[in-house]
Formats: sequence, structure tokens, C-alpha cells
Amino acid sequence: EPEVTQTPSHQVTQMGQEVILRCVPISNHLYFYWYRQILGQKVEFLVSFYNNEISEKSEIFDDQFSVERPDGSNFTLKIRSTKLEDSAMYFCASMRDTGELFFGEGSRLTVL
Amino acid sequence: KQEVTQIPAALSVPEGENLVLNCSFTDSAIYNLQWFRQDPGKGLTSLLLIQSSQREQTSGRLNASLDKSSGRSTLYIAASQPGDSATYLCAVISNYQLIWGAGTKLIIKP
Repeated sequence: EPEVTQTPSHQVTQMGQEVILRCVPISNHLYFYWYRQILGQKVEFLVSFYNNEISEKSEIFDDQFSVERPDGSNFTLKIRSTKLEDSAMYFCASMRDTGELFFGEGSRLTVL
Repeated sequence: KQEVTQIPAALSVPEGENLVLNCSFTDSAIYNLQWFRQDPGKGLTSLLLIQSSQREQTSGRLNASLDKSSGRSTLYIAASQPGDSATYLCAVISNYQLIWGAGTKLIIKP
């Protein structure tokens, strides 16, 4: 069964460094999402992406964040200059035509 | 603004019991409602999707119901097992966005 895959599963970085998290959504899905979950807290919406552009973003998704779908398959989240508070699990998701979302296993980001 | 609430926040029951998890939402204009399971430190696994025109969905020992008019959904777990221990999240889908509940942490005691 097709699934959303995310890499890396865990990344440790120094504060101020750039990080790129990668996702391969399910191929025939049209909507893609990034969410994050700080340890012990609620899942938070970051950004949604449709038709090769951002369709909606939250207030968390500031200028430090960007998303791209450079080659029609990968969907990346870039954090330009990481802060301690960016430490979280980042989830990618894609939505099928029924509206059902499928999530990847997540990328754990630890900022030191 | 849509708000999703899950009660209880935590639940601990002996193995074998049937149980119900509750999810309520404030705006009945939803597209879908989806139940997820999350194990500690892991990803989000889709359990059941109920489209707005449906009343319930079943998968194995799980049954989810939807009552849009009252803004409620329930997740019924039959014959609970220790492996069912996890956090269960409901999410309402409107305008291609998910609004999340805070989850119910379920512990099934052997």
C-alpha cells in the first residue's frame, strides 16, 4: 500500500543551522501538508501546499520556513536558521480525493 | 472558528473492556472527520475516516460514529487489548484543513 515517507527520521543540528526535511507524498494525492508536534503537545499545522504553491500557512510558518516541491515528487520543508524552540517532530501528510490524510512517520529535529 | 475537544484527556481500563472515546466540534460544516492513533514518539496512523454524509465507519474492533447536528463523534473500541494503548486523536477536516483535538491517552491494563 502506498505510504508517505519522510527523511531523515532524526536530525540533530546546532542552533542557527539550516535544516531540510524531506517527504515523498503518495503519488496521486494533490494536497500536501507539514505539521509539527513539540514533545508532549498538540499537533500544530504549519503549511498546506496545492498545485505547486502554498495554499495556507499558520502563524508559526514565518520567514524562517519555506516549502518546495522541486521535482514533482519530493516535498521539502526548509528551516533557514534553526532555533531551540524548533525542536519537534515534523510530520508530512498528503490528502487523497476523499479528504483522508495520510501521514509519514515523522522527522525528529533536535536543535542544540 | 472551529474547535475540537476530546474527552477524557486520559483513560485507563482493564483489558477486555469495551470503551468509548469522545470528540466534539463547534462548527457542523465539516467535510470529514478522521480518527488517528499515535504511539509515543511515533507517527500518526489513520484509523477511520467518516465523510460528512456518513453516520459511522467500522474497521475490525473499531467503530466510529458521526453526528454532525450535535457536533459529536465517538470512537468505540471493543474488547480492548494492551496493544490498543496509545493516544487517540480526532481531527475535523474543513476546507482541506485539519483541526485537531488534543487527544485521549488510553492505557489498557493487562
